[in-house]
Amino acid sequence: AQTVTQSQPEMSVQEAETVTLSCTYDTSESDYYLFWYKQPPSRQMILVIRQEAYKQQNATENRFSVNFQKAAKSFSLKISDSQLGDAAMYFCARYNNNDMRFGAGTRLTVKP
Amino acid sequence: GAVVSQHPSWVICKSGTSVKIECRSLDFQATTMFWYRQFPKQSLMLMATSNEGSKATYEQGVEKDKFLINHASLTLSTLTVTSAHPEDSSFYICSARDPFSFFGPGTRLTVL
Repeated sequence: AQTVTQSQPEMSVQEAETVTLSCTYDTSESDYYLFWYKQPPSRQMILVIRQEAYKQQNATENRFSVNFQKAAKSFSLKISDSQLGDAAMYFCARYNNNDMRFGAGTRLTVKP
Repeated sequence: GAVVSQHPSWVICKSGTSVKIECRSLDFQATTMFWYRQFPKQSLMLMATSNEGSKATYEQGVEKDKFLINHASLTLSTLTVTSAHPEDSSFYICSARDPFSFFGPGTRLTVL
């Protein structure tokens, strides 16, 4: 099975600091999409950032940025200037050929 | 951004009964909608792709007779859990337009 692996079940960061969440994936395709989602306690899935595999430039959305290493099949999420509202479950996901796969998630705690 | 709604947000039913969950795209038309299942403290798993005017496409391992999907209009897809049992208790989430951008708020199903 082509999987998505998040090796950090839980992470903690001090408010205003930076944290990086790890994700690796497996695919035999050359064209695919990668995503990071935030799921707060309300359980509403929120798309944080997306990366097209054909793009070499790392995606950035305000305080959120990714480090996309295609050869290594690695897709980490960096959250800068962490805020209390960033506390949530974060899921990494990969999409290609109508196949959508999610990682197991990382629970991020933000300490005031 | 596009809005997707689900109804009900929480349903409790007796074992053996059927439950219908609705997924609506509120401000756009969606020829395709997607249904996910999320067990407590676990990730999302794609169950099926709902196609307007045609049969749904189910992921491997998902019982199509158990989880009936109807996509009768461009803004509405329904998931019916037939003869529900306690093991069907889960959080069901839909997305619309594509499987990765716009998610509904989810429906919590508890089968007693």
